[in-house]
Amino acid sequence: EAGVAQSPRYKIIEKRQSVAFWCNPISGHATLYWYQQILGQGPKLLIQFQNNGVVDDSQLPKDRFSAERLKGVDSTLKIQPAKLEDSAVYLCASRHQDSSYEQYFGPGTRLTVT
Amino acid sequence: AQSVAQPEDQVNVAEGNPLTVKCTYSVSGNPYLFWYVQYPNRGLQFLLKYITGDNLVKGSYGFEAEFNKSQTSFHLKKPSALVSDSALYFCAVRDRGSNDYKLSFGAGTTVTVRA
Repeated sequence: EAGVAQSPRYKIIEKRQSVAFWCNPISGHATLYWYQQILGQGPKLLIQFQNNGVVDDSQLPKDRFSAERLKGVDSTLKIQPAKLEDSAVYLCASRHQDSSYEQYFGPGTRLTVT
Repeated sequence: AQSVAQPEDQVNVAEGNPLTVKCTYSVSGNPYLFWYVQYPNRGLQFLLKYITGDNLVKGSYGFEAEFNKSQTSFHLKKPSALVSDSALYFCAVRDRGSNDYKLSFGAGTTVTVRA
């Protein structure tokens, strides 16, 4: 079974530029999560999708961050404009709808904003 | 509200010695508890979970964890550590009564196993 795929793996941009990350979850997983992991901290949930609907986006800075999951499969997370404090690893995770338990994580995208 | 505390930023042990990584949690109801491991430049890998039943749960790579409700703890253990166990370990909790399946993670503990 293929795991969660993410791209790009690394991205360096200047502040005020825009950037987009892509995630392809495990096949059949209805729930998809985006996390932000700042160096030295645990992952923090940004947004959760169930199929193509948003379940929780209370921690998403909506003035600059947006996310979508068209067709309930792949998802993109966008930042526009980026700030220095957005430098972090962005992790995508997915979970099967019949499992209440563990989430499966992708390798992450390391974003550096200069 | 739910939260996790990992009181140690770093744990250093010699290869072959027992390894313990501490975790305490706070939830309003009953918890689901998880341990994940993160190797450099990799995503989080699931190690083990406590859902219900036996308080001692066994997971991948010889790790186990003990759920202690009275102490609200879920410490990760390995009887004999390997150099390859050196990584960043995260404890996570979800309130069993919540419908959003949201995990809250601790800040992580860096484990270094010296040869």
